[in-house]
Amino acid sequence: QSVVTQPPSASGTPGQTVIISCSGSRSNIGDNSVNWYQYLPGTAPKLVIKSNYQRPSGVPGRFSGSKSGTSASLAITGLQSDDEADYYCAVYDDSLSAVVFGGGTKLTVL
Amino acid sequence: QVQLQESGPGLVRPSETLSLICSVSGDSMGIWYWSWLRQPAGKALEWVGRIHSTGRTNYNPSLWGRVSISLDMSKNQFSLTLTSVTAADTAIYFCGRDWGLWGPGTMVTVSS
Repeated sequence: QSVVTQPPSASGTPGQTVIISCSGSRSNIGDNSVNWYQYLPGTAPKLVIKSNYQRPSGVPGRFSGSKSGTSASLAITGLQSDDEADYYCAVYDDSLSAVVFGGGTKLTVL
Repeated sequence: QVQLQESGPGLVRPSETLSLICSVSGDSMGIWYWSWLRQPAGKALEWVGRIHSTGRTNYNPSLWGRVSISLDMSKNQFSLTLTSVTAADTAIYFCGRDWGLWGPGTMVTVSS
């Protein structure tokens, strides 16, 4: 059981908007920046959002991140079939002195 | 551009020690966090630990006492050591720089 919680699954049709949540506590999301990864099993994780809302170079503007209090969200607008993947939030936890990953959300594009 | 590549034995026997090396090419190692991540088959990504260029380390509490990460900047490498391995340590292991750059991963199987 991870200290940051994500829904196990999410889905949407092409063109729709999907929002994936990440819930934690003051010691992690509350006091530190959240990062989001897109992951296809067996391949290198791809950082799609860093420091709560910043998009790394090359990541489409359809991806956006936000944070409020002890929760963070990843939004994907104009959903495409290529977006089908597992998405993870990751953040440093001051109490554990360790990085924690959420349990992952499997996004299905219907 | 900076690239990372994991290397090490693909098969480790139970109770023995897993050792992996991450080779960094394309730039000097500079001032970064150097990390290890793993994914057991069918399970979530799991952060293993990291080492800062100053030598400071952070480890996953669930691996405390078994995990160690070291840095050799003269060789542009850092390494992971995991002792007393079990089948639960079977996973794809990724090495990374800071949050955004990761190697392609290497599969490690723990089996007799």
